[in-house]
Amino acid sequence: EVQLVESGGGLVQPGGSLRLSCAASGFTFSSNWMHWVRQTPGKGLVWVSGINSDGSTTTYADSVKGRFTISRDNAKNTLYLQMNSLRAEDTSVYYCARLTSLYYFDYWGQGTLVTVSS
Amino acid sequence: DIQMTQSPSSLSASVGDRVTITCRASQSISTYLNWYQLKPGKAPKLLIYTASSLQRGVPSRFSGSGSGTDFTLTISSLQPEDFATYFCQQSYSTLFTFGPGTKVDIK
Repeated sequence: EVQLVESGGGLVQPGGSLRLSCAASGFTFSSNWMHWVRQTPGKGLVWVSGINSDGSTTTYADSVKGRFTISRDNAKNTLYLQMNSLRAEDTSVYYCARLTSLYYFDYWGQGTLVTVSS
Repeated sequence: DIQMTQSPSSLSASVGDRVTITCRASQSISTYLNWYQLKPGKAPKLLIYTASSLQRGVPSRFSGSGSGTDFTLTISSLQPEDFATYFCQQSYSTLFTFGPGTKVDIK
């Protein structure tokens, strides 16, 4: 059974940093693009970042480019999102998701809440 | 970026009702359109991919149609477990974008 479990969320002050993790199991992690998607109350789902199977290619939404860094450790079956210079508008539930070859997200984690507030 | 809109933003329905949700893209996306169900505290669930393909394990009361810019998600007979928020997502561009969501609640 495919499982994605996020962790690392919490309360952080504006300008602070946080690293999210997503532990994957039940599939060959090193074969798939993986992504982060966030949900802000009242704003729906927003794609944040993606990384290819071997970690050599990354993509970011303009809103996080230069502040967030996606990475992965295929030996540990884990996806990461390093978030720096956090802003109030980054407050969201962050989901990791697996991308298929037809570019839809077939499995998602349950999410981890990030709150940016002083 | 490709903008996605959905209508209605919310609806109230009863168990057994037929429910239709519409999604529109700002440009043609062929059939690169996917639908997800979101419930509070749970992982988003893929329902339909490439506009009309039913994901394994999803009940057949869910169906999708459309191509180009206009798409529809239909629930043929609403069940208690279907009260949730539904999102469309375009995968024509890898700058993936989602619709704003349609919340389906109990009348």
